[in-house]
Amino acid sequence: NAGVTQTPKFQVLKTGQSMTLQCAQDMNHNSMYWYRQDPGMGLRLIYYSASEGTTDKGEVPNGYNVSRLNKREFSLRLESAAPSQTSVYFCASAPQGAGGNYGYTFGSGTRLTVV
Amino acid sequence: AQKITQTQPGMFVQEKEAVTLDCTYDTSDQSYGLFWYKQPSSGEMIFLIYQGSYDEQNATEGRYSLNFQKARKSANLVISASQLGDSAMYFCAMREGRYNFNKFYFGSGTKLNVKP
Repeated sequence: NAGVTQTPKFQVLKTGQSMTLQCAQDMNHNSMYWYRQDPGMGLRLIYYSASEGTTDKGEVPNGYNVSRLNKREFSLRLESAAPSQTSVYFCASAPQGAGGNYGYTFGSGTRLTVV
Repeated sequence: AQKITQTQPGMFVQEKEAVTLDCTYDTSDQSYGLFWYKQPSSGEMIFLIYQGSYDEQNATEGRYSLNFQKARKSANLVISASQLGDSAMYFCAMREGRYNFNKFYFGSGTKLNVKP
């Protein structure tokens, strides 16, 4: 099925470990996003990539890095995981510049626990 | 200031009744879009409905309608004839500007429980 695919779906890390969350979309969207979702706080933007070759910080970028590998793939890396990064992570994509009724298409999420 | 405010952390509704989920927004842009997403317990985010700031008619999608009151900066979601499958978290979101996808803000959500 067309859409946004995130891997893994679940992950437990020890404090200080590193990992990369993978995201790929097959809708030919230009822009891609990483959000985290915490209880009572909605979704907060970590990083985004408006187009292939560009990345920018969002609201909560500290402790994360991203790579826009190509038009399809946008990865999120935790270099040294901390318990405060325990969250549900969502990748999303959208057709940049389309305007109108073009919200996000979301992946199914990654539930990350840092112990 | 919060861009999107959802003041109802939790709501209960009887099956087959209508329910309104509140959302207010804050922007100085003339062009913006308002969205509602549903998040069932399985965790995925499902797009429900969209309202553009220049749309004169309230948006409708099946049992979902968006009560858009521009002067009051409110964009309430109305679900008619609630079903048990409507039990989920609901998020209101706003995109500022017509092409600014990095200015996309979410509220904290409302958890809706539909009682049989």
